[in-house]
Amino acid sequence: GAVVSQHPSRVICKSGTSVKIECRSLDFQATTMFWYRQFPKQSLMLMATSNEGSKATYEQGVEKDKFLINHASLTLSTLTVTSAHPEDSSFYICSARIGVTGQPQHFGDGTRLSIL
Amino acid sequence: GNSVTQMEGPVTLSEEAFLTINCTYTATGYPSLFWYVQYPGEGLQLLLKATKADDKGSNKGFEATYRKETTSFHLEKGSVQVSDSAVYFCALRDNQGGKLIFGQGTELSVKP
Repeated sequence: GAVVSQHPSRVICKSGTSVKIECRSLDFQATTMFWYRQFPKQSLMLMATSNEGSKATYEQGVEKDKFLINHASLTLSTLTVTSAHPEDSSFYICSARIGVTGQPQHFGDGTRLSIL
Repeated sequence: GNSVTQMEGPVTLSEEAFLTINCTYTATGYPSLFWYVQYPGEGLQLLLKATKADDKGSNKGFEATYRKETTSFHLEKGSVQVSDSAVYFCALRDNQGGKLIFGQGTELSVKP
Protein backbone atom coordinates (compact mmCIF):
# COMPACT_ATOMS: atom_id res chain seq x y z
CA GLY A 1 0.00 0.00 0.00
CA ALA A 2 0.84 3.72 0.05
CA VAL A 3 1.98 3.98 -3.56
CA VAL A 4 2.89 7.33 -5.07
CA SER A 5 3.13 7.64 -8.83
CA GLN A 6 5.03 10.42 -10.52
CA HIS A 7 4.72 11.24 -14.21
CA PRO A 8 6.58 11.66 -16.45
CA SER A 9 9.69 9.85 -15.29
CA ARG A 10 11.85 11.73 -17.73
CA VAL A 11 11.34 14.80 -19.89
CA ILE A 12 13.63 16.59 -22.29
CA CYS A 13 12.52 19.89 -23.76
CA LYS A 14 13.70 23.14 -25.20
CA SER A 15 14.47 26.25 -23.21
CA GLY A 16 11.39 28.43 -22.70
CA THR A 17 8.96 25.52 -22.50
CA SER A 18 6.70 25.03 -19.50
CA VAL A 19 6.73 21.52 -18.07
CA LYS A 20 4.11 19.92 -15.85
CA ILE A 21 4.91 17.06 -13.47
CA GLU A 22 2.16 15.06 -11.82
CA CYS A 23 2.24 13.35 -8.46
CA ARG A 24 -0.56 10.94 -7.62
CA SER A 25 -1.30 8.93 -4.52
CA LEU A 26 -2.75 5.72 -5.94
CA ASP A 27 -4.23 3.97 -2.94
CA PHE A 28 -4.63 6.63 -0.28
CA GLN A 29 -5.76 10.20 0.14
CA ALA A 30 -2.89 12.59 0.57
CA THR A 31 -3.74 15.60 2.65
CA THR A 32 -0.24 16.96 2.17
CA MET A 33 2.23 16.61 -0.66
CA PHE A 34 5.83 17.76 -0.79
CA TRP A 35 8.02 18.69 -3.73
CA TYR A 36 11.80 18.24 -3.60
CA ARG A 37 14.61 19.02 -5.94
CA GLN A 38 17.78 16.98 -6.10
CA PHE A 39 20.97 18.04 -7.83
CA PRO A 40 23.46 15.38 -8.98
CA LYS A 41 25.14 13.66 -6.05
CA GLN A 42 23.46 16.01 -3.60
CA SER A 43 20.69 15.83 -1.07
CA LEU A 44 17.02 16.54 -1.50
CA MET A 45 16.01 20.12 -0.98
CA LEU A 46 12.42 20.79 -0.04
CA MET A 47 10.86 23.26 -2.46
CA ALA A 48 7.33 23.51 -1.19
CA THR A 49 4.58 21.90 0.83
CA SER A 50 1.09 21.73 -0.59
CA ASN A 51 -2.14 21.01 1.21
CA GLU A 52 -5.23 19.99 -0.69
CA GLY A 53 -7.40 22.95 -1.54
CA SER A 54 -5.03 25.64 -0.33
CA LYS A 55 -2.01 27.53 -1.58
CA ALA A 56 1.37 25.89 -1.39
CA THR A 57 3.93 26.99 1.17
CA TYR A 58 7.27 27.63 -0.50
CA GLU A 59 10.67 27.35 1.11
CA GLN A 60 12.91 30.37 1.25
CA GLY A 61 14.60 31.06 -2.05
CA VAL A 62 12.13 29.11 -4.20
CA GLU A 63 10.42 31.26 -6.82
CA LYS A 64 6.66 30.87 -6.57
CA ASP A 65 6.06 32.17 -10.07
CA LYS A 66 8.64 29.84 -11.50
CA PHE A 67 7.47 26.68 -9.80
CA LEU A 68 3.68 26.59 -9.78
CA ILE A 69 2.13 24.01 -7.50
CA ASN A 70 -1.48 22.93 -7.57
CA HIS A 71 -3.00 20.42 -5.17
CA ALA A 72 -6.53 20.27 -6.54
CA SER A 73 -7.57 16.94 -5.07
CA LEU A 74 -6.60 14.51 -2.33
CA THR A 75 -4.83 12.29 -4.85
CA LEU A 76 -3.14 14.73 -7.22
CA SER A 77 -0.60 17.50 -7.00
CA THR A 78 1.14 19.09 -9.96
CA LEU A 79 4.37 21.03 -10.27
CA THR A 80 4.70 23.26 -13.33
CA VAL A 81 8.12 24.62 -14.17
CA THR A 82 7.31 27.72 -16.16
CA SER A 83 9.54 28.97 -18.97
CA ALA A 84 12.16 26.40 -18.07
CA HIS A 85 15.84 27.12 -18.64
CA PRO A 86 18.90 24.86 -18.50
CA GLU A 87 19.54 25.77 -14.86
CA ASP A 88 16.17 24.23 -14.00
CA SER A 89 17.45 20.84 -15.12
CA SER A 90 17.30 18.57 -12.11
CA PHE A 91 15.67 15.53 -10.54
CA TYR A 92 12.31 16.45 -9.00
CA ILE A 93 10.74 14.15 -6.42
CA CYS A 94 7.35 14.35 -4.79
CA SER A 95 6.11 12.74 -1.63
CA ALA A 96 2.67 12.36 -0.14
CA ARG A 97 1.44 12.06 3.40
CA ILE A 98 -1.82 10.91 4.86
CA GLY A 99 -3.29 13.19 7.47
CA VAL A 100 -1.33 14.71 10.26
CA THR A 101 2.31 15.54 10.88
CA GLY A 102 3.37 12.25 12.44
CA GLN A 103 2.41 10.11 9.47
CA PRO A 104 5.18 8.92 7.12
CA GLN A 105 5.88 10.44 3.72
CA HIS A 106 5.71 8.14 0.70
CA PHE A 107 7.92 9.07 -2.21
CA GLY A 108 7.42 8.93 -5.94
CA ASP A 109 10.13 7.65 -8.27
CA GLY A 110 11.11 11.13 -9.40
CA THR A 111 11.18 13.03 -12.68
CA ARG A 112 14.40 13.73 -14.52
CA LEU A 113 14.00 17.12 -16.21
CA SER A 114 16.54 18.12 -18.85
CA ILE A 115 16.27 21.53 -20.50
CA LEU A 116 18.27 21.98 -23.69
CA GLY B 1 18.04 25.34 12.81
CA ASN B 2 17.69 21.61 12.33
CA SER B 3 20.33 19.85 10.27
CA VAL B 4 21.71 16.43 9.44
CA THR B 5 25.32 15.55 8.67
CA GLN B 6 26.40 12.27 7.10
CA MET B 7 29.81 10.83 6.40
CA GLU B 8 30.95 11.57 2.91
CA GLY B 9 31.02 8.95 0.23
CA PRO B 10 31.51 7.13 -1.87
CA VAL B 11 31.97 4.12 0.36
CA THR B 12 33.28 1.07 -1.46
CA LEU B 13 33.12 -2.34 0.22
CA SER B 14 33.54 -5.95 -0.74
CA GLU B 15 30.57 -8.28 -0.47
CA GLU B 16 29.98 -9.55 3.08
CA ALA B 17 31.91 -6.67 4.64
CA PHE B 18 30.58 -4.76 7.66
CA LEU B 19 28.97 -1.41 6.91
CA THR B 20 28.76 1.71 9.03
CA ILE B 21 27.48 5.03 7.71
CA ASN B 22 27.70 7.78 10.30
CA CYS B 23 24.91 10.28 10.81
CA THR B 24 24.66 13.07 13.36
CA TYR B 25 21.97 15.65 13.77
CA THR B 26 21.21 19.01 15.28
CA ALA B 27 17.67 19.66 16.39
CA THR B 28 15.57 21.30 19.02
CA GLY B 29 13.17 19.05 20.82
CA TYR B 30 12.78 15.39 20.02
CA PRO B 31 12.80 14.69 16.30
CA SER B 32 12.07 11.39 14.61
CA LEU B 33 15.00 9.93 12.67
CA PHE B 34 15.00 8.02 9.40
CA TRP B 35 17.21 6.27 6.92
CA TYR B 36 16.11 6.29 3.29
CA VAL B 37 17.67 4.43 0.36
CA GLN B 38 17.72 5.62 -3.25
CA TYR B 39 18.56 3.21 -6.04
CA PRO B 40 19.83 4.67 -9.33
CA GLY B 41 17.20 6.69 -11.18
CA GLU B 42 14.55 6.08 -8.54
CA GLY B 43 12.89 7.94 -5.72
CA LEU B 44 13.43 7.30 -2.04
CA GLN B 45 12.36 4.28 -0.08
CA LEU B 46 12.08 4.28 3.68
CA LEU B 47 14.62 1.84 5.08
CA LEU B 48 14.08 2.24 8.82
CA LYS B 49 13.11 4.75 11.45
CA ALA B 50 13.21 5.54 15.16
CA THR B 51 10.95 7.95 16.94
CA LYS B 52 12.50 8.31 20.39
CA ALA B 53 15.78 8.00 22.23
CA ASP B 54 17.25 4.49 22.46
CA ASP B 55 14.85 3.13 19.85
CA LYS B 56 16.47 0.79 17.35
CA GLY B 57 15.13 0.74 13.82
CA SER B 58 15.85 -2.33 11.71
CA ASN B 59 14.98 -3.66 8.27
CA LYS B 60 16.59 -5.99 5.70
CA GLY B 61 19.61 -6.54 7.97
CA PHE B 62 20.20 -2.82 8.48
CA GLU B 63 20.04 -1.30 11.95
CA ALA B 64 20.33 2.15 13.51
CA THR B 65 19.93 3.25 17.13
CA TYR B 66 18.67 6.69 18.14
CA ARG B 67 21.37 8.03 20.48
CA LYS B 68 20.30 11.28 22.04
CA GLU B 69 23.44 11.69 24.14
CA THR B 70 25.61 11.73 21.02
CA THR B 71 22.89 13.06 18.67
CA SER B 72 23.63 10.21 16.31
CA PHE B 73 21.77 7.63 14.22
CA HIS B 74 24.49 5.56 12.56
CA LEU B 75 23.45 2.96 9.99
CA GLU B 76 25.00 -0.51 10.25
CA LYS B 77 24.78 -3.82 8.45
CA GLY B 78 26.78 -6.88 9.33
CA SER B 79 27.24 -8.29 5.83
CA VAL B 80 26.55 -6.19 2.75
CA GLN B 81 25.50 -7.53 -0.63
CA VAL B 82 26.00 -6.18 -4.14
CA SER B 83 22.30 -5.38 -4.22
CA ASP B 84 22.79 -2.93 -1.33
CA SER B 85 24.64 -0.57 -3.67
CA ALA B 86 22.68 2.68 -3.54
CA VAL B 87 22.68 6.13 -1.98
CA TYR B 88 21.64 6.26 1.66
CA PHE B 89 20.09 9.36 3.21
CA CYS B 90 19.77 10.09 6.90
CA ALA B 91 16.87 12.41 7.74
CA LEU B 92 15.09 13.95 10.66
CA ARG B 93 11.55 15.11 11.02
CA ASP B 94 10.65 17.73 13.49
CA ASN B 95 7.44 16.80 15.20
CA GLN B 96 5.92 20.24 14.87
CA GLY B 97 6.06 21.16 11.22
CA GLY B 98 6.52 17.64 9.92
CA LYS B 99 9.18 18.58 7.36
CA LEU B 100 11.89 16.10 6.52
CA ILE B 101 15.44 17.42 6.57
CA PHE B 102 17.95 15.25 4.74
CA GLY B 103 21.65 14.73 5.04
CA GLN B 104 23.74 15.00 1.92
CA GLY B 105 23.57 11.29 1.16
CA THR B 106 26.26 8.62 1.16
CA GLU B 107 26.86 6.53 -1.93
CA LEU B 108 27.59 2.88 -1.20
CA SER B 109 29.18 0.62 -3.79
CA VAL B 110 29.51 -3.08 -2.99
CA LYS B 111 31.83 -5.12 -5.17
CA PRO B 112 31.50 -8.88 -5.63
